[in-house]
Amino acid sequence: SAVISQKPSRDICQRGTSLTIQCQVDSQVTMMFWYRQQPGQSLTLIATANQGSEATYESGFVIDKFPISRPNLTFSTLTVSNMSPEDSSIYLCSVEGADTQYFGPGTRLTVL
Amino acid sequence: SQKIEQNSEALNIQEGKTATLTCNYTNYSPAYLQWYRQDPGRGPVFLLLIRENEKEKRKERLKVTFDTTLKQSLFHITASQPADSATYLCALDTGRRALTFGSGTRLQVQP
Repeated sequence: SAVISQKPSRDICQRGTSLTIQCQVDSQVTMMFWYRQQPGQSLTLIATANQGSEATYESGFVIDKFPISRPNLTFSTLTVSNMSPEDSSIYLCSVEGADTQYFGPGTRLTVL
Repeated sequence: SQKIEQNSEALNIQEGKTATLTCNYTNYSPAYLQWYRQDPGRGPVFLLLIRENEKEKRKERLKVTFDTTLKQSLFHITASQPADSATYLCALDTGRRALTFGSGTRLQVQP
């Protein structure tokens, strides 16, 4: 199994600012995934992050808005840039396991 | 278009009864389907995986069926308990290693 931690667990931010979310895994993994969960909604994949290469973004998500770093096999960051209230969501990172995915506890972001 | 739908927004049942949750999908041919539990303020937790060549899988009080002809999975919790109250998500493998999730069903078990 994998244990994933995220920082911060929650934040309240002003419109137009940026927030960087950190994801730390207790083992080395090839792929990490970033999801968004808007209020009352299910999870939507933002991007897939491989170590040593550019992240692959899903339709509707762009690098300028959600830049991702993947400096090593246990760590990734997601930045939510130039935030607006529509970005208020829970942001989750996850990693693959054997026939499963492990999720972090999420970062609850509120944009005023 | 591709869609994953789960039955009703909320399901209320009495303790001890069997809860049955439905996951229907269109325009996918998944190699496997997974079920997750999500509690408020937490990330999803994996429960069960069923492959396309499996009809049924069990784990303690949980049972999952997978009908690739109907494009449907049923998730059963027998002898339900108030502690089973949570949101349950189905997720499909869509060939990209990341998962595509359904909308979720909120289960409330009344004591």
